Amino acid sequence: GIQVEQSPPDLILQEGANSTLRCNFSDSVNNLQWFHQNPWGQLINLFYIPSGTKQNGRLSATTVATERYSLLYISSSQTTDSGVYFCAVSGQGGSEKLVFGKGMKLTVNP
Amino acid sequence: SQTIHQWPATLVQPVGSPLSLECTVEGTSNPNLYWYRQAAGRGLQLLFYSVGIGQISSEVPQNLSASRPQDRQFILSSKKLLLSDSGFYLCAWGVSYGYTFGSGTRLTVV
Repeated sequence: GIQVEQSPPDLILQEGANSTLRCNFSDSVNNLQWFHQNPWGQLINLFYIPSGTKQNGRLSATTVATERYSLLYISSSQTTDSGVYFCAVSGQGGSEKLVFGKGMKLTVNP
Repeated sequence: SQTIHQWPATLVQPVGSPLSLECTVEGTSNPNLYWYRQAAGRGLQLLFYSVGIGQISSEVPQNLSASRPQDRQFILSSKKLLLSDSGFYLCAWGVSYGYTFGSGTRLTVV
């Protein structure tokens, strides 16, 4: 099945810093989502982005489908950005089942 | 608007006891529904998915089962819990433009 790799696995930042999270996937996809899991475990959908670029406030994401990677940018990080970020994809084989990466734990210190 | 409800939020059960976790969705018809488990660490593993009433697909052999008695209801069950069933269980509703997750149930088997 399709493989998803995220990097870096963990990241510690000072408030105000910028960061880039990377997601590599092993096959063509028809769905790619970035999620933020808050300290209570809730998975919040940040972007649905199988291709192209989207922005939402301080967050933006870019997926280059032909090169099989996606990037999540966090600018001017805040302590509330802390948590685990997941990239998840589903392949083009007709299944909509999302396969998750292992996640990246972000800690933003004040 | 579409919403997804999941309960209970936390559960502590003894080994060998039965389990029933319920997930319901509102505001949509014939949704694809999914059960994921997040064990210690960060990865999310797909357990079951359903594309319609009575249609259940299992992704991994295990001590759990799922049922979909109504269009908008998805139930995760076990006859006898094992210690290894502990984890964070998430229900999700998926459409072509992305997944939405419930708030999760944190299960501890003691």
